[in-house]
Amino acid sequence: DAGVIQSPRHEVTEMGQEVTLRCKPISGHNSLFWYRQTMMRGLELLIYFNNNVPIDDSGMPEDRFSAKMPNASFSTLKIQPSEPRDSAVYFCASSFGLANEQFFGPGTRLTVL
Amino acid sequence: AQTVTQSQPEMSVQEAETVTLSCTYDTSESDYYLFWYKQPPSRQMILVIRQEAYKQQNATENRFSVNFQKAAKSFSLKISDSQLGDAAMYFCAYRSATDKLIFGTGTRLQVFP
Repeated sequence: DAGVIQSPRHEVTEMGQEVTLRCKPISGHNSLFWYRQTMMRGLELLIYFNNNVPIDDSGMPEDRFSAKMPNASFSTLKIQPSEPRDSAVYFCASSFGLANEQFFGPGTRLTVL
Repeated sequence: AQTVTQSQPEMSVQEAETVTLSCTYDTSESDYYLFWYKQPPSRQMILVIRQEAYKQQNATENRFSVNFQKAAKSFSLKISDSQLGDAAMYFCAYRSATDKLIFGTGTRLQVFP
């Protein structure tokens, strides 16, 4: 099994640019989670989906952040416009059902200059 | 609201020795799950061990075991026969039966030869 796949692994962009992070969950998993990790705030859950439907987006910091899951095998997290304080590692995780173990992807390190 | 506390920002252990990482949590739920995740320098989040609150028996995975004290709301991780590859950040996490994962702030474990 390939595990959770995230792309890109590293992204460097300039303030004001749009950034799109991508995630492919493990085949068969129907729950998907987006996390952000920073030194200051640790690991924060941004949003999660169940059966492609957003369940809780209360962790999304601002309207500049949006996430979609158009089908069971793909999700995106978009930041528009990006700001330096968005610099962090963004993780995607998936599970079979909300109650089971979450398997994490390798993360995307985002740097906004 | 549920919280997870890891009071040891850093710990160190000599190779082949045993180390215990502490975690406490606060919840009013009776049905929940507890996890320890390992994050090596590669950033990958790896599930080490999980414990269901309804189980009295402490979970064990090879050299990793937990001491789950439900009344005290304590969930410590013991690593026996420590190896250099155990060096990583370790995160304690809590999830109720129907809600999202909540992570502690992590403990950095160093392993000395």
